[in-house]
Amino acid sequence: DAGVIQSPRHEVTEMGQEVTLRCKPISGHNSLFWYRQTMMRGLELLIYFNNNVPIDDSGMPEDRFSAKMPNASFSTLKIQPSEPRDSAVYFCASSLSGASPLHFGNGTRLTVT
Amino acid sequence: RKEVEQDPGPFNVPEGATVAFNCTYSNSASQSFFWYRQDCRKEPKLLMSVYSSGNEDGRFTAQLNRASQYISLLIRDSKLSDSATYLCVVNGGTGNQFYFGTGTSLTVIP
Repeated sequence: DAGVIQSPRHEVTEMGQEVTLRCKPISGHNSLFWYRQTMMRGLELLIYFNNNVPIDDSGMPEDRFSAKMPNASFSTLKIQPSEPRDSAVYFCASSLSGASPLHFGNGTRLTVT
Repeated sequence: RKEVEQDPGPFNVPEGATVAFNCTYSNSASQSFFWYRQDCRKEPKLLMSVYSSGNEDGRFTAQLNRASQYISLLIRDSKLSDSATYLCVVNGGTGNQFYFGTGTSLTVIP
């Protein structure tokens, strides 16, 4: 079991640039979640998918953020254009079902200058 | 009202001490409960699931009280390596929605 795989591990970019974060969930898991964590706000749910369909995107901060899950083994979170306040650690997590625990990837540490 | 309330601490305890964390949740229909551990600059990792009957894993004991809507984590004989942030997580009863506590910081002192 390779676990949830995220890339890149670190991303440093300038304000206004497009950022794409990638996630491969654990094989067989049918739910995928994107979280953002900062010291000030803690862990925030951005969006989650069930069977590749977005279920709740109410946590997406604004239109600059978008997420896709084209198939069961891949998801992206895109920020365009990026701003310094987007700097955070972005975690992807997956779970087998509603009663099963979440499994997190290593996260992507994003710095927007 | 927050879905999950957790005392942020910090808890500073000497090695060998017993420490307990509590967490309350607001949705009585919640189905699944978990404790996660997060080390600095790392991802949250599942420590243990919490079952109605209570469960134990070595020095760790988790309990669920549905009537009072709280879960607890007890760490016995604490080690330096137990220093971390502990997050309680509740899965809501209406779907695949996980609610996180703010985390409790634990530092075990030599």
